This record gives sequence, C-alpha cells and structure tokens, in this order.
Amino acid sequence: AQSVTQPDIHITVSEGASLELRCNYSYGATPYLFWYVQSPGQGLQLLLKYFSGDTLVQGIKGFEAEFKRSQSSFNLRKPSVHWSDAAEYFCASRRSGATNKLIFGTGTLLAVQP
Amino acid sequence: DAGVTQSPTHLIKTRGQQVTLRCSPISGHKSVSWYQQVLGQGPQFIFQYYEKEERGRGNFPDRFSARQFPNYSSELNVNALLLGDSALYLCASSQLEAGETQYFGPGTRLLVL
Repeated sequence: AQSVTQPDIHITVSEGASLELRCNYSYGATPYLFWYVQSPGQGLQLLLKYFSGDTLVQGIKGFEAEFKRSQSSFNLRKPSVHWSDAAEYFCASRRSGATNKLIFGTGTLLAVQP
Repeated sequence: DAGVTQSPTHLIKTRGQQVTLRCSPISGHKSVSWYQQVLGQGPQFIFQYYEKEERGRGNFPDRFSARQFPNYSSELNVNALLLGDSALYLCASSQLEAGETQYFGPGTRLLVL
C-alpha cells in the first residue's frame, strides 16, 4: 500500500540555520510528491511538487526538495530559516495518472529559536 | 481570484447529531476533494467529486456522504456524530479529475461533545 513517512515529529532550529525535513514514500512506481505547510489553525499551502524531470525542485519561500529514487526520499531543505517558517510541514504523495487522492505523512512541527 | 472557501469556520455539535459542511472551489475548478485532519495527524482522504460524480472514497463509514452541485460547490454530510469525528475538515479543488495541483481551503473545525 502507498504510504508516506515523516520520521521527525518535532524539530527545533535557530533562526538563520539550515533546515532539512525528511520524507520517505512507499510506492512501486514513481509517485507525484508534494510538500505542504500549515500554520496554526490554517489550511494547507503548497510549497513545491515533483512529477518528473529534474530531481531538484524549487518552491516558494526559498524552499527546495530533492527526489532520490534510490532512497525513496523527498527531503525538504532551506538554507536559512526565518522565524516566520515556524509551522507544521506535511509531505504527501499521489499515484501518477490516478485520482486526486493524496496520502499524507504525519507531519513535522518546526519551531524556530531566535 | 478567490481561493477555496469553506463554511462554517467552526462548529460545535453533540453526539448523534448531523452536520453539513460546505465548500466552494476556485473558479474554473471542477474537482473537489474532502479530507479529515485529526489533531496531531496528517489529513486523511474522504471523498473526491468530479463533474458531480464520486470519483474516489477513502476508508470512512457510510455515515459520511457528499455531493457536488452543478456550480461545482460541494457539501460533506456526517450523520450520527461520534466524539472521534472531531477534526479539521479540509476541502481541496483542482481543475481536472487528476489535476496536477490541489488547492486547499482554510478548513472547518468541528468539535463533537
């Protein structure tokens, strides 16, 4: 069955430090992969997506993610974190060519220290 | 352009009651999907509707139902509410049945007492 794993429940980084959030997917073929961000009490905002092609994907707010087929991973990175990045981050996958059903990970809560 | 809108924003119900949540997709989007997000978890897929037809259903009991109207807006109904139905209900829209990007609304927070 298709699944998404986010191993880190909670991460704290200092403002200005680099960030990497981990995501592993389980699916026979290459899925479509997404990172969403959710601020407290809000809906989900799409940061970036991967369907095919270049394995390094650029998103909004200075985020990027790299698809690594050999590791079944799609980790999210940012070189310098801002206090406003504090939020919950969700990795999600969808089967290519199928319906819109997204499978989400359990999320990683990011705290930013001044 | 307006994004996905949902109403109401918050709702309190008691066990056994019924609730209806509403969603208006982005103009031009024909697909609407519903997700349930329990506190501390990622969203779980409930339904997808496209062109007024159900295109997918997640692992939820028959107490959950939905429909899509000719203007592509959608309603999610939950009957015989249980405490465990307390969650944030998210609606997402996209242009196509298997569209590239889904855009999420702010959600309706349901509390069942």
